[in-house]
Amino acid sequence: EPEVTQTPSHQVTQMGQEVILRCVPISNHLYFYWYRQILGQKVEFLVSFYNNEISEKSEIFDDQFSVERPDGSNFTLKIRSTKLEDSAMYFCASSVPGTGVTEAFFGQGTRLTVV
Amino acid sequence: AQSVTQLGSHVSVSEGALVLLRCNYSSSVPPYLFWYVQYPNKGLQLLLKYTSAATLVKGINGFEAEFKKSETSFHLTKPSAHMSDAAEYFCAVSDRGSSASKIIFGSGTRLSIRP
Repeated sequence: EPEVTQTPSHQVTQMGQEVILRCVPISNHLYFYWYRQILGQKVEFLVSFYNNEISEKSEIFDDQFSVERPDGSNFTLKIRSTKLEDSAMYFCASSVPGTGVTEAFFGQGTRLTVV
Repeated sequence: AQSVTQLGSHVSVSEGALVLLRCNYSSSVPPYLFWYVQYPNKGLQLLLKYTSAATLVKGINGFEAEFKKSETSFHLTKPSAHMSDAAEYFCAVSDRGSSASKIIFGSGTRLSIRP
């Protein structure tokens, strides 16, 4: 069964460092998303991406964040200068457009710990 | 703006008992509604989805949910709880009017099963 894969599963980084979280969406999907879940809190939308540009972003997704689809398979989230409050589980998701419901398939997540 | 409210951050039931997790939604347009499950240290897995085809939706692992427009509710039920059902459950809503619709999650309900 096709699935969204994320690497690494756990990343520890020092405050102020740049970090890149990687995702491989399902191959025929065209919409891509990043969500985050701070420990003990709800899952929050960060950004959606389609046709090589951002479709929508939340207020959380400030200038420290960027997304990229560098090739035909990967979808990345970059945090330029990490802060302690960026520590969270980051989920990538993808979906395929159509006339039906926009069902997003989620990856297993990358746990980012900023120290 | 769309939102979902999950009543009860923690629900505990005995094994074999009825599971009822409550969710109310707010949407200015007919919504797509979802229930996701997150097992400990795992990603988000879709349990079921409402797409307007039927108000009673059956999902995986014996769960089902009923869409009640008059009550703006989408409660999740399972007739008989199993120990393996212990997890975090998220109700979510998506705007059916947009192809790249983001999913808005509720705050989650942690389900515990007593032996």
